[in-house]
Amino acid sequence: AQSVTQPDIHITVSEGASLELRCNYSYGATPYLFWYVQSPGQGLQLLLKYFSGDTLVQGIKGFEAEFKRSQSSFNLRKPSVHWSDAAEYFCAVGAQGGSNYKLTFGKGTLLTVNP
Amino acid sequence: KAGVTQTPRYLIKTRGQQVTLSCSPISGHRSVSWYQQTPGQGLQFLFEYFSETQRNKGNFPGRFSGRQFSNSRSEMNVSTLELGDSALYLCASSLVLGEQFFGPGTRLTVL
Repeated sequence: AQSVTQPDIHITVSEGASLELRCNYSYGATPYLFWYVQSPGQGLQLLLKYFSGDTLVQGIKGFEAEFKRSQSSFNLRKPSVHWSDAAEYFCAVGAQGGSNYKLTFGKGTLLTVNP
Repeated sequence: KAGVTQTPRYLIKTRGQQVTLSCSPISGHRSVSWYQQTPGQGLQFLFEYFSETQRNKGNFPGRFSGRQFSNSRSEMNVSTLELGDSALYLCASSLVLGEQFFGPGTRLTVL
């Protein structure tokens, strides 16, 4: 069974600083990997995804993530954080077994941005 | 193109009651998945429907059920509500296996 670990429950950064959110996954084959963002009281918005190919993927809002198979990681980065980036971030792995498919999410990382 | 819509957005029920939540996927999407989000357990997969058939089910009791209609709209039902069922219930639709688009969720409070 697949699993996702987000080691950091809460991260605080200053506006303009760089950001890296960590994500480690466990899955026997090449997974589909996702980062979602959730603002309070809202649903999940997809930031970026990795299916195959180039291991550095670009997403919306200036985010990027790098898939490292050797480390089973898919860390999310942003060079300069804006106050509007404050939200909760979820890493997810999608895995298929036959026709069955589901997303497994990490517990999330809450991002606070200081002015 | 309209996104995933969920109704109602907020719901308050009492223990022992049942509740039905509705989800309308993005036009053309035939797969609908449901997730429960709680502070303690995080996001947990409930079930997934494709062309009116349940293809996958998470580890939830039989009180949680769902169905999908021919127009791909989906409903989930929770019977005999318990306090622990209070959660944000999220619906997601997808065109193909992989990327899922989420709705705003239904916040269920059980008193």
